[in-house]
Amino acid sequence: DAGVTQSPTHLIKTRGQQVTLRCSPKSGHDTVSWYQQALGQGPQFIFQYYEEEERQRGNFPDRFSGHQFPNYSSELNVNALLLGDSALYLCASSWGMVDNEQFFGPGTRLTVL
Amino acid sequence: RKEVEQDPGPFNVPEGATVAFNCTYSNSASQSFFWYRQDCRKEPKLLMSVYSSGNEDGRFTAQLNRASQYISLLIRDSKLSDSATYLCVVSRNTGGFKTIFGAGTRLFVKA
Repeated sequence: DAGVTQSPTHLIKTRGQQVTLRCSPKSGHDTVSWYQQALGQGPQFIFQYYEEEERQRGNFPDRFSGHQFPNYSSELNVNALLLGDSALYLCASSWGMVDNEQFFGPGTRLTVL
Repeated sequence: RKEVEQDPGPFNVPEGATVAFNCTYSNSASQSFFWYRQDCRKEPKLLMSVYSSGNEDGRFTAQLNRASQYISLLIRDSKLSDSATYLCVVSRNTGGFKTIFGAGTRLFVKA
């Protein structure tokens, strides 16, 4: 049973560029949440997708957008990258839009130069 | 003020010690509470959920005090393998569950 997978594992971009990160949820899960984790900090909630719609959003600008596909996989897009966007981006999946246990993927480490 | 605040770390303890972490949350509408563990350069993993009646899982005990809005985690008989960052997590339903993580408390258990 595959857990949550994310791609790519590492990414280097320059300021102003755009990036797309991908996530496949754990088998049987239908809800995907994205988090940003800066060094030495806890994960910060970006948004949550369920039934292909954004259901909940944290305090992130519109430069951060996402999508969920019919197979429950998800993408996180970040436009006009800033140096401060450098972080570990974590995807978590769960079942149902309730407070069930979230299973995290290994993350994508984004570096913006 | 952050919505979820944890004890500043790091905690350095010898093997066999008992260590306690506290976490406070500011939003009284918070409904669910968890402790996650995160090893260095790894993803967070659920350690235990926290119930109003308190709950225990082996050497780990979690407590919730809704009146004072704090959560605690007690680790007894610390092992070297307990060395990690412990994240306090709070969620509430605002038309979808919004999950807030604390900044984490680092624990180092030494032989």
